[in-house]
Amino acid sequence: QVQLQESGPGLVKASQTLALTCTVSGGSISSGGYFWTWLRQHPGLGLEWIGNIYYSGSTYSGVTSYNPALKSRLLISVDGSKNQISLKLSSVTVADTAVYFCARSGAGRGTILDNWGQGTLVTVSS
Amino acid sequence: QSALTQPASVSGSPGQSITISCTGTSSDVGSYDYVSWFQQHPGKAPKLIIFDVSHRPSGVSNRFSGSKSGNTASLTISGLQAEDEADYYCNSYTSSDSVAFGGGTKLSVL
Repeated sequence: QVQLQESGPGLVKASQTLALTCTVSGGSISSGGYFWTWLRQHPGLGLEWIGNIYYSGSTYSGVTSYNPALKSRLLISVDGSKNQISLKLSSVTVADTAVYFCARSGAGRGTILDNWGQGTLVTVSS
Repeated sequence: QSALTQPASVSGSPGQSITISCTGTSSDVGSYDYVSWFQQHPGKAPKLIIFDVSHRPSGVSNRFSGSKSGNTASLTISGLQAEDEADYYCNSYTSSDSVAFGGGTKLSVL
């Protein structure tokens, strides 16, 4: 059974870059055909879709789709050799404090998020 | 502000049925049958309960059902049980090739 696990610094200073990794176990990212997705949830609030990367498993890097509100600060990439998906969000502010989730969608243009990590809390300090 | 509009809260008694709405626009819910619903208990990751408007993943109770009319999708939970008390979120694919979420609805089982 495929499992996802987020990891990265729990504390980031304002203006710096938030970098998280989602490690996939129990299956290979390179098998292709999935939207690997990052989402976040601000404390006590709802879910926010950050973006995804559709990785076919071939040699190219994948096709990304980003939340328009975050697009200018965002980079999502896949490392097939490490079975990992990464998130980089630059120029963070305290408003980026949230629990960050990675998730997988097999179809539905990325809406069918049927496998989630447990989430990791990232706090941005001023 | 969330792209999709859900009621902040709904409530019902055990055994009753409730419906949660998810209102979007012709650029998302109204144009695509790519609407999913998620259940989230406190401190847990969300769980997929409905996809493609009305389909249930394997293992999800048939007490959960979904539908869509125009720009509004709906989740109905019948035969309410205490364990259904949770937050519920909808999402939809959008014409800007992104995914929008609703603000979430807190379900209380009285």
